[in-house]
Amino acid sequence: NAGVMQNPRHLVRRRGQEARLRCSPMKGHSHVYWYRQLPEEGLKFMVYLQKENIIDESGMPKERFSAEFPKEGPSILRIQQVVRGDSAAYFCASSRTQGDEQFFGPGTRLTVL
Amino acid sequence: SQQGEEDPQALSIQEGENATMNCSYKTSINNLQWYRQNSGRGLVHLILIRSNEREKHSGRLRVTLDTSKKSSSLLITASRAADTASYFCATDGANAGKSTFGDGTTLTVKP
Repeated sequence: NAGVMQNPRHLVRRRGQEARLRCSPMKGHSHVYWYRQLPEEGLKFMVYLQKENIIDESGMPKERFSAEFPKEGPSILRIQQVVRGDSAAYFCASSRTQGDEQFFGPGTRLTVL
Repeated sequence: SQQGEEDPQALSIQEGENATMNCSYKTSINNLQWYRQNSGRGLVHLILIRSNEREKHSGRLRVTLDTSKKSSSLLITASRAADTASYFCATDGANAGKSTFGDGTTLTVKP
């Protein structure tokens, strides 16, 4: 039973490019959460999605960031026109139901040059 | 200060000693979870304790929850060098899906 999968594991982008981060939840999980972690800090919530719906995006920056979780396929976190401050580790988690245990993926480490 | 604050920020002990980390939070919660993160790696889920529970055990780990004080503690007994990592608590509010993390306690266990 595969865990939460994220790809790519490492992503390097130049300022102004787009970054696409993918997350495949655990089998049977329909709830997905994205978090961002800056060095030496804890994880900061970004967005919570259920299939085809954004449930809570209170942690998402208003501009350049978007997320989706289509009916088929992985959840995508998209960052347009990246800036150096976007460099961080982005973690995805999934759960079977709301309020249930969240299982985390290995993360995508984004470096913006 | 933010929801889910760990204390101390850093802890250094000798192998075999016990390590205790504390977490305080501000608002009512549905459950509280403890995670471990090795340097540069993903998070490993340790224990989930629900708001109606007071104590849970898992191997060498013991977690307590005091909702009246809005605090939790993680005790690692008979520590090993492999326990060296950062430990985070995360709270889930009632009817909320997201987890709110603190900045973690960095534990160093010296062999």
